[in-house]
Amino acid sequence: GENVEQHPSTLSVQEGDSAVIKCTYSDSASNYFPWYKQELGKRPQLIIDIRSNVGEKKDQRIAVTLNKTAKHFSLHITETQPEDSAVYFCAATYGNNRLAFGKGNQVVVIP
Amino acid sequence: DADVTQTPRNRITKTGKRIMLECSQTKGHDRMYWYRQDPGLGLRLIYYSFDVKDINKGEISDGYSVSRQAQAKFSLSLESAIPNQTALYFCATRGAGYTDTQYFGPGTRLTVL
Repeated sequence: GENVEQHPSTLSVQEGDSAVIKCTYSDSASNYFPWYKQELGKRPQLIIDIRSNVGEKKDQRIAVTLNKTAKHFSLHITETQPEDSAVYFCAATYGNNRLAFGKGNQVVVIP
Repeated sequence: DADVTQTPRNRITKTGKRIMLECSQTKGHDRMYWYRQDPGLGLRLIYYSFDVKDINKGEISDGYSVSRQAQAKFSLSLESAIPNQTALYFCATRGAGYTDTQYFGPGTRLTVL
């Protein structure tokens, strides 16, 4: 099956700084890469995604970049705010268009 | 996201009891999934179903079974619960398109004593 790895497992940043989370995937056929945010006690929710034919996508303070050659993609959060504190999951499609999820990154924004 | 609902939201049970977790969705999706979340282990797939007649095991199906009663309903059963099945369980649904969003239910927190 597909293997998706996330690094680092925990990331602490000062409010206003940027946060970057990187994921690597193993299936070269993967063609869709979403990022989910899970706030404490809540369900994971999609925050941004990218298709394999695109190198970068932005939505206000968040962006995702994809390097298909190296098989990695990253989530970038700029001007971090306390409400950005959450667990972030990356995912990649694999066989039968299923999503394989990474183990998640805990992001802590320090006021 | 009220389109995907789970019942119960919390459950405490004893070892050896049979438990059923239910999931319903109004998104009209054919694909439904059950995940288990444990601290540090992410979202692990238990079972998934691509339509009413299609049921597939995920990476951690041992000790679990499922039933797809209708397009909108997908239930997860623990035939004889054990303490290491204590976890947060999420149901999810997704369309068939490769860029379709996967929507999660609110989760069921299960404690097995």
